[in-house]
Amino acid sequence: AQSVTQPDIHITVSEGASLELRCNYSYGATPYLFWYVQSPGQGLQLLLKYFSGDTLVQGIKGFEAEFKRSQSSFNLRKPSVHWSDAAEYFCALRGGGNKLTFGTGTQLKVEL
Amino acid sequence: DAGVIQSPRHEVTEMGQEVTLRCKPISGHNSLFWYRQTMMRGLELLIYFNNNVPIDDSGMPEDRFSAKMPNASFSTLKIQPSEPRDSAVYFCASSLFRNSADTQYFGPGTRLTVL
Repeated sequence: AQSVTQPDIHITVSEGASLELRCNYSYGATPYLFWYVQSPGQGLQLLLKYFSGDTLVQGIKGFEAEFKRSQSSFNLRKPSVHWSDAAEYFCALRGGGNKLTFGTGTQLKVEL
Repeated sequence: DAGVIQSPRHEVTEMGQEVTLRCKPISGHNSLFWYRQTMMRGLELLIYFNNNVPIDDSGMPEDRFSAKMPNASFSTLKIQPSEPRDSAVYFCASSLFRNSADTQYFGPGTRLTVL
């Protein structure tokens, strides 16, 4: 079975501060990992994905994520948060086949 | 590209009524997915199709739910009869499936309220 855990339901950061959103996964082999962002009333937009190679992945909007096999983690980072980054962030895993398993999401609030 | 198109964007109906949600995937994509999002259960995969064929419908809650994909450019998710607990946001996503690294592109969702 595969699963994704996002331990933080809500996170609040000040604009300009750095951000790290945590994601842990459970899967028997090397998974394909994704981060999506959902703005209020919108669908999900892909930020970045890891499937092989360099464990540090760059995405859109200045986000990056690092795959750490030893920790079964794929944490999302941004060095300086903008107010427009306030949204809900989902980590997702795909093992074999075509199904994505999502975490429960982390709601990010940005204080001005 | 127009992206994944879903209609309607909002639907309010009464318990017992039939509800049909519609999805047009991105042109050229060969996989289509229906998800449901609720506060209690998060994002759940209901069913997905490859090349218009249903591959996995294990997430469909019960017989009241059915999904079809009559051609590569159109899919429907039907609930009959609808119940208040079906209230949720329903997302359609599509992808060009070549390997497990492909990206699923999501539509804007249909917010369903069953009174």
